[in-house]
Order: sequence, then C-alpha cells, then structure tokens
Amino acid sequence: GAGVSQSPSNKVTEKGKDVELRCDPISGHTALYWYRQSLGQGLEFLIYFQGNSAPDKSGLPSDRFSAERTGGSVSTLTIQRTQQEDSAVYLCASSQGITGELFFGEGSRLTVL
Amino acid sequence: AQSVTQPDIHITVSEGASLELRCNYSYGATPYLFWYVQSPGQGLQLLLKYFSGDTLVQGIKGFEAEFKRSQSSFNLRKPSVHWSDAAEYFCAVELTGGGNKLTFGTGTQLKVEL
Repeated sequence: GAGVSQSPSNKVTEKGKDVELRCDPISGHTALYWYRQSLGQGLEFLIYFQGNSAPDKSGLPSDRFSAERTGGSVSTLTIQRTQQEDSAVYLCASSQGITGELFFGEGSRLTVL
Repeated sequence: AQSVTQPDIHITVSEGASLELRCNYSYGATPYLFWYVQSPGQGLQLLLKYFSGDTLVQGIKGFEAEFKRSQSSFNLRKPSVHWSDAAEYFCAVELTGGGNKLTFGTGTQLKVEL
C-alpha cells in the first residue's frame, strides 16, 4: 500500500495475555519506529530500527516489551503478560532516513481489561 | 533532560481567526524542530520542520512556524483557521545523537468554532 499499515486497529485483551501488533512500513523505507500514545502523555518513543543496524531499544518500558523487524520490512511489537497500564495507542512510523520526516500509521489501540 | 513543552492542552478558535500554538524546548543546543498534526482517524502528518537558516518556515496547509533561539520556542501559526484544521498538534525535537528519534510534546487539541 501507499502508507504505513498497522494491524489490528483495535485489540482488547485480558490482563496477563500476550499481544502482537504488526506494522507494514512504506516500501523502501529503511527506518522503522514504534511509539506509544497514552491519553495526555503525548508520544513516547519505544524502539527504532535502521537498516541492518542493531535496534535502539532505549524506550522500551520493561522487558515485557520486545520488537523485531523481519527482512528489513515488516515489524512486530510483542507485549507479554499485558498489564492495564499498557493500554494505549501504539503507533508505527517509517522513514527514508531524512531527519524528522516520519510517516505514521493510524495506530493499534490496545485495551487491557 | 531534553524536553518539549506545549503549555496549551486545548485551544478553541473561531473559523477565520488567527492561530498560534506554543512550543518550548529544553535542549543543550539548537535541535531540529518539527510540527506534526493528527487528524481524527488519521496518522500523524508532518506540517513543517526547522533545521537551520531562516527562522520562519513555511509548511503545508498554510501553516508557518518561527524559531526563536532566545526564547527556546518554535510556535506554530496560521493567519486564518479553517474548520478542517480541527485536530491535535504535536511539536517535536530530534534527540541528541540523531538517529532520527523524535521527542514529542504532549499535544494541543485545537477546536474550531463555526
């Protein structure tokens, strides 16, 4: 597709379950980012992939969070043993590497009951 | 610590009125500065950016922003607001060390009254 695609758009899960969120970036974009958007909190950086370099995981809030990017394209964000505080919109963005020009998907809204 | 502050959580303006959204940053050196807009049901979209040079930058949709080093500010402006401008606006800076990681402010929700 023409833009960044994220799935699912909405996910409701029970506390303690694992969830996977998928991001399909714009074709040819070498950089991929995950951000979390919580009510009143703005956007919180989670993780950044650039080409074949080791990912920057400095924003992951706990070891329950992990992400991978396969073949330099699709990325999956995994949250294990979800907690209620994990409820948020998870945004994926991709970039050609031009400073600051990120293209965002519409996000995956996660609700943990 | 590097931070971005958007002091106004909500702003309401009448259609046709002028708009200014405030953004202040705390950073060791002049960072790269950005404004993004998030319309309902859509992903964030880059409005404009400042790297260096002319401190008044023009963006899409008739928006502009002015960098003021002395005030550590990068305020977004529009001379005449349209109803379709109702959205949430985020100021962002690039983190030290680059890597294209952006630090975002908490956003300003703009409501436009007809």
